[in-house]
Amino acid sequence: DIQMTQSPSSLPASVGDRVTITCRASQSIRSYLNWYQQKPGKAPKLLIYTASSLITGVPSRFSGSGSGTDFTLTISSLQPEDFATYYCQQNYQTPITFGQGTRLDIK
Amino acid sequence: QLQLVESGGGVVQPGRSLRLSCAASGFTFSTYAMNWVRQAPGKGLEWVALISSDGKNQYFADSVRGRFIISRDNSKSTLYLQMNSLRDEDTAVYYCTRGVGFGDRTCDYWGQGTLVTVSS
Repeated sequence: DIQMTQSPSSLPASVGDRVTITCRASQSIRSYLNWYQQKPGKAPKLLIYTASSLITGVPSRFSGSGSGTDFTLTISSLQPEDFATYYCQQNYQTPITFGQGTRLDIK
Repeated sequence: QLQLVESGGGVVQPGRSLRLSCAASGFTFSTYAMNWVRQAPGKGLEWVALISSDGKNQYFADSVRGRFIISRDNSKSTLYLQMNSLRDEDTAVYYCTRGVGFGDRTCDYWGQGTLVTVSS
């Protein structure tokens, strides 16, 4: 199975900050990497697919990059609604695997 | 508008069975693969199972293989998860998701989830 490791596990930040979350795969997954946002009590929401493609309607302050084993999610200027937990997920092969999550907290 | 609505969750004793349903609307259900993904209380996301659009191919996480069955009724636009021999560690919110992209393994829409609690 492909292991997905996110860092950090939690990230205190302030409105307006630029933040970066890292996701590392245990083997190459080419660009088959997705990012999800989850708010408390809600279902996850797909933000970015295939490493860097933004879902329609997702603000342009979100961006993704990477290929192979190393990936990043960047939020260029944090807004209040961005405080949530973010998960990476590989869709290169089954079993589908997720990172353990990065909780973005208000500093 | 696209909707996925799960039902069937509840409290069940270890070793017993439960069947979850997911009613889909707002898209052509029969042309999409579907997944179940779960989340234990306070924990991260765990993929459970995937079924192809025609129902002929199914894939399972090791943690549920042999105990859970994924199926679908395209005439009713409904996805199912039959959960047998339930264990404490199966306690989670179960989400149904639509599968797209490479290998149908990207979850582009999610239901609101249904809570399964396994407890004696």
